Amino acid sequence: AQTVTQSQPEMSVQEAETVTLSCTYDTSESDYYLFWYKQPPSRQMILVIRQEAYKQQNATENRFSVNFQKAAKSFSLKISDSQLGDAAMYFCAYRSGGSEKLVFGKGTKLTVNP
Amino acid sequence: NAGVTQTPKFRVLKTGQSMTLLCAQDMNHEYMYWYRQDPGMGLRLIHYSVGEGTTAKGEVPDGYNVSRLKKQNFLLGLESAAPSQTSVYFCASRTSGGPSSYEQYFGPGTRLTVT
Repeated sequence: AQTVTQSQPEMSVQEAETVTLSCTYDTSESDYYLFWYKQPPSRQMILVIRQEAYKQQNATENRFSVNFQKAAKSFSLKISDSQLGDAAMYFCAYRSGGSEKLVFGKGTKLTVNP
Repeated sequence: NAGVTQTPKFRVLKTGQSMTLLCAQDMNHEYMYWYRQDPGMGLRLIHYSVGEGTTAKGEVPDGYNVSRLKKQNFLLGLESAAPSQTSVYFCASRTSGGPSSYEQYFGPGTRLTVT
């Protein structure tokens, strides 16, 4: 069964600085997708960024980028120029290409200090 | 465009009572999902539907039933609530094709407490 591991229960960063959240996953599939979701105190789950396994180029969305290391099964999220509004729980998630099941990690709580 | 809405937002049940959670989406999405989120955990898939009239089991389906009689609605039922079903429940939906088909849109969640 696929598993997703987030080894950092909590992280903190100073406003305007850069932080990296770690995620590793275990799968024997070759066709899959990886996602980072943000869950602010409002509880609403918001998609931050996605990566298709077949793409070698790392995905980027404005201040958010990933470091996708397929052989190492690692999918870290880098947040540049951190803002107070980035404070939230961040979940890494995996979905096999042939499945509807989204497998989530346990999350990393990010605190942004002014 | 309201997106994905969930009714109710909060509910307290006694053990053995039944209830239905309603999820509605106005984006004409084919796929709909029910998840639960427990403290210190990510979301886990309960049931899902790939279209009107279809349902399928997810990772943790026991104790729940679902129905998708209309494309825009996905109902989650608890026939006999147990304290282990205390959780926050999220509904999500996504389209089946196009460049945005990978993205699941989530509702705001329903906090359910079973005493």
